Amino acid sequence: GDSVTQMEGPVTLSEEAFLTINCTYTATGYPSLFWYVQYPGEGLQLLLKATKADDKGSNKGFEATYRKETTSFHLEKGSVQVSDSAVYFCALSDQGSGSARQLTFGSGTQLTVLP
Amino acid sequence: DADVTQTPRNRITKTGKRIMLECSQTKGHDRMYWYRQDPGLGLRLIYYSFDVKDINKGEISDGYSVSRQAQAKFSLSLESAIPNQTALYFCATSERLGTEAFFGQGTRLTVV
Repeated sequence: GDSVTQMEGPVTLSEEAFLTINCTYTATGYPSLFWYVQYPGEGLQLLLKATKADDKGSNKGFEATYRKETTSFHLEKGSVQVSDSAVYFCALSDQGSGSARQLTFGSGTQLTVLP
Repeated sequence: DADVTQTPRNRITKTGKRIMLECSQTKGHDRMYWYRQDPGLGLRLIYYSFDVKDINKGEISDGYSVSRQAQAKFSLSLESAIPNQTALYFCATSERLGTEAFFGQGTRLTVV
């Protein structure tokens, strides 16, 4: 079945540091890949997405590239801010033919950015 | 107003009680989902529905039931709540397979 494995947290960084959160996946079909962010006390919000191999999703300074050869979708940001403190989830939606798969989530990575 | 609305936002209930969590959406999406979030476990799917006549079990459906009253409404019930059902519950919708999901604000349920 489909699965998502992401870097365990928590991750603590100083403001302006470089961020990488690793995400790898297993899927039987042709998944779309997503990063969601959850700020304290809120629901999940879509951060970025990529629907096919070599696509790069980007938003708010965050980027992730869909790497089919390594089955990865690592999240990066060049300079984090205190306001980026949140939980980040990697997810996939399998578009395999005839599949009725819904979103499959990783376990989440807690990021804390210190001033 | 939020596109996906969950009620209540917080609830404390006693073991053995029946409780219903409600979800309504204005996105016009056919697909709706209920997830449970526990620390360190991410989100796990409880039930999902692809239209008003379609209900499917997710990976952790035991102890839960759902009702899809209309395209816009999808309710989750705990027939006899137990303490290990204490968690944060999220409702979500999506337009079609492969597209992103839109989440409600969540319901924090505590079973004592």
